[in-house]
Amino acid sequence: RKEVEQDPGPFNVPEGATVAFNCTYSNSASQSFFWYRQDCRKEPKLLMSVYSSGNEDGRFTAQLNRASQYISLLIRDSKLSDSATYLCAMRDGGSQGNLIFGKGTKLSVKP
Amino acid sequence: SAVISQKPSRDICQRGTSLTIQCQVDSQVTMMFWYRQQPGQSLTLIATANQGSEATYESGFVIDKFPISRPNLTFSTLTVSNMSPEDSSIYLCSVEDLRDTDTQYFGPGTRLTVL
Repeated sequence: RKEVEQDPGPFNVPEGATVAFNCTYSNSASQSFFWYRQDCRKEPKLLMSVYSSGNEDGRFTAQLNRASQYISLLIRDSKLSDSATYLCAMRDGGSQGNLIFGKGTKLSVKP
Repeated sequence: SAVISQKPSRDICQRGTSLTIQCQVDSQVTMMFWYRQQPGQSLTLIATANQGSEATYESGFVIDKFPISRPNLTFSTLTVSNMSPEDSSIYLCSVEDLRDTDTQYFGPGTRLTVL
C-alpha cells in the first residue's frame, strides 16, 4: 500500500492557466504536510507548508482535506518559470516522524 | 534557511568500489538526513545521521552498505560501499533547521553512476 500518491502527469498547460494537483495519503496520523518544487537535475526546494486552515502565497494556494486524506496545490496565472516537478511530503505519523515523499507531479507551462 | 553543500556533485564509479559523499552545513543543525532519489522515483530516506552516535537506518538500508558519520553538528558523510549499477542514483543530504524544526532543506545532491 503506497503511503503517498500523486498523479505523475505531465500536466501541460498554457501560460496564464490555473492548474491544481492533488496528493492522497494513507496515514491518518500525519500532522504536517508540505509541497516541494524540484527543477530538473536540482534538489527539492520547499515551496510551502500546508496548514489545516489552508495556506496562500501569491499565486499558490495549498489546502488540506483531512476527511478525504489529501492535500492540494493550486497555481493561478501559470508562468513559464513554474515548469517543474512538484512533490508532496508529509510527516510519517504525528509531527515528529520522518518525511514521506510522493513521486512528484510534472508541470510544463507552454507559451 | 541553512546553506548546504555536497561533495562530489557527481561521480562515475566502477562496480565493487566505494564512494564517500560529504555534506557540509553553514550552521549548526539538530537533524541531518540522507536520501536517495532514483530516476523517476520519489525521495527515499536512507538514514538519519545522529551526532555522536550511530545512524538510524530505514527498512531496506544497512550500515555495512551505507556507513554514515556525523562528527559534529555541521558535517556528515555517507559512504556507498561495494557499489553495483543498482546504486546509481542521486544522493541528497537534508537538514532540519534549528530555528524551524518542522522544515527540511536539501543539499544540491550527488549524482552517482556505477558502471
